[in-house]
Amino acid sequence: RKEVEQDPGPFNVPEGATVDFNCTYSNSASQSFFWYRQDCRKEPKLLMSVYSSGNEDGRFTAQLNRASQYISLLIRDSKLSDSATYLCVVNMGNSARQLTFGSGTQLTVLP
Amino acid sequence: DAGVTQSPTHLIKTRGQQVTLRCSPKSGHDTVSWYQQALGQGPQFIFQYYEEEERQRGNFPDRFSGHQFPNYSSELNVNALLLGDSALYLCASSLAQGASNQPQHFGDGTRLSIL
Repeated sequence: RKEVEQDPGPFNVPEGATVDFNCTYSNSASQSFFWYRQDCRKEPKLLMSVYSSGNEDGRFTAQLNRASQYISLLIRDSKLSDSATYLCVVNMGNSARQLTFGSGTQLTVLP
Repeated sequence: DAGVTQSPTHLIKTRGQQVTLRCSPKSGHDTVSWYQQALGQGPQFIFQYYEEEERQRGNFPDRFSGHQFPNYSSELNVNALLLGDSALYLCASSLAQGASNQPQHFGDGTRLSIL
């Protein structure tokens, strides 16, 4: 079983749609959680951290369920510029705060 | 405020050769982590350097080695290159004493192709 699992997609949605990405992680000792966005042939960039109470940043909402070891990302009113690969990332909790990435979910927003 | 910089941006090598990739961390950061990202996959942790020592290592063979310099910059060395080493190599920097939920900042990466 992979340490961080995501649906690879691809998700092809029309502009304005709401998209919901899910991710599960296997290490219950994981300390912190993030969603990164990666555009084609570019480096990953932090989209948002994920907190236990859930957090929102504009059109983006992230949720964490520690009991189920489950993380989600909701994108409302999707824009063409949201097209990218979304990486679910978990901090393993070791001294190096090693990041473990999912394989990513590819999103294409269509006009 | 300079972000994470990596060099070179692209590199082509043949099997059996050796390669050195370089990374300068974001200003103020003291910790450098290296990741390998194969096509269609998420980045995989190679190792992390702090205080000029390897602090943690992922599941990579000894052909992968590294170094950190007193100015916090770092090198990744790969010996006896294999076709499977073709990937995007990413460097990320952070602050060792920062909060556990601080994000890591990534460089643009070095795209390594093995022929």
